[in-house]
Amino acid sequence: RKEVEQDPGPFNVPEGATVAFNCTYSNSASQSFFWYRQDCRKEPKLLMSVYSSGNEDGRFTAQLNRASQYISLLIRDSKLSDSATYLCVVVSGSARQLTFGSGTQLTVLP
Amino acid sequence: NAGVTQTPKFRVLKTGQSMTLLCAQDMNHEYMYWYRQDPGMGLRLIHYSVGEGTTAKGEVPDGYNVSRLKKQNFLLGLESAAPSQTSVYFCASTRRGDSTDTQYFGPGTRLTVL
Repeated sequence: RKEVEQDPGPFNVPEGATVAFNCTYSNSASQSFFWYRQDCRKEPKLLMSVYSSGNEDGRFTAQLNRASQYISLLIRDSKLSDSATYLCVVVSGSARQLTFGSGTQLTVLP
Repeated sequence: NAGVTQTPKFRVLKTGQSMTLLCAQDMNHEYMYWYRQDPGMGLRLIHYSVGEGTTAKGEVPDGYNVSRLKKQNFLLGLESAAPSQTSVYFCASTRRGDSTDTQYFGPGTRLTVL
């Protein structure tokens, strides 16, 4: 079983749609949780941190459920510029190693 | 402040050749990491370093060696390249004690082994 598993995708949605991504992780000792965004052939970039209390950044909302070891990302009012691969990331270990999910590809259509 | 840089950006090798990828950061970060990314997959940790002169194995270390002789540089070596090492390699760094766990990534090195 992979340490971090994500929705397989791809997701193709029209502009303005709401889309949700899910992720589960297996290491209960994981310490921090993130969503990264990766554009084609570019390095991953931090989108947002994920907390049990939930957090929102504009059109993006992330949520962590530690009991279920489940992470989610909600994107409202999708824009063409949201088209990218979204990576679920979990931090563990004394050296703060990142473990990445395989990513979910989102294409927002005009 | 260049952040994290990687050299080279692209490289084509023949099976059995050797090469070294260089990662440099100017943020005085203690922790540095090498990842590889294959098509349709997330990044996988190859090796990492928590300080000058120290290195440790990650998830997929076989076929690679690393060195951290200077705090700002982290080198990834392929002694005898194999086609299975065709991938995109990303380097990252972070500050020890950074409560946000933010890792800063380089632009990547695209390696093809024929």
